[in-house]
Amino acid sequence: DVKVTQSSRYLVKRTGEKVFLECVQDMDHENMFWYRQDPGLGLRLIYFSYDVKMKEKGDIPEGYSVSREKKERFSLILESASTNQTSMYLCASTSITGELFFGEGSRLTVL
Amino acid sequence: DAKTTQPTSMDCAEGRAANLPCNHSTISGNEYVYWYRQIHSQGPQYIIHGLKNNETNEMASLIITEDRKSSTLILPHATLRDTAVYYCIVRAYTDKLIFGTGTRLQVFP
Repeated sequence: DVKVTQSSRYLVKRTGEKVFLECVQDMDHENMFWYRQDPGLGLRLIYFSYDVKMKEKGDIPEGYSVSREKKERFSLILESASTNQTSMYLCASTSITGELFFGEGSRLTVL
Repeated sequence: DAKTTQPTSMDCAEGRAANLPCNHSTISGNEYVYWYRQIHSQGPQYIIHGLKNNETNEMASLIITEDRKSSTLILPHATLRDTAVYYCIVRAYTDKLIFGTGTRLQVFP
């Protein structure tokens, strides 16, 4: 089975801290995605990557950056966390046929 | 912007077929139709996808109209565990994947 693993299920950080959210997939997928999900707003795309060292902005990239140094790993970085970045963050990857597989999610609270 | 239109919510009696419609009138020739669902507090789950032919798997059936401008996801015998938000998405493989607001399906006893 495809496995998408997110490093932390729950994080609590302070305003201004740098936050790393790690995502690893074990099926050699080329496409990987980072979303955030907030009540009433659904899933919103932050960034996606279609190859190593390649990245594209999604709908809400402000305040975030990403890193894709290896094919299996896609990291989301909050350079200076703010309270409005409190959210559930979901990582996903797609197979060659486009089937999307999600991780369990990382719930981030910024105080 | 999402390229699909779905009803906001639907109800279905347990044991009956749930038919979830999706309009995608601007779909391009290289775009597939994907269906996902999200059960409360879990990550979205892949259900099925298709290009132009009807598809069936152990979870559901996907009916795509001949002009490809709309599709229907069919859950043949809905159970209470099928209560979820269902997302219809059209995309080509290299496209960013955008979720709309989906259809909230409530299965009742």
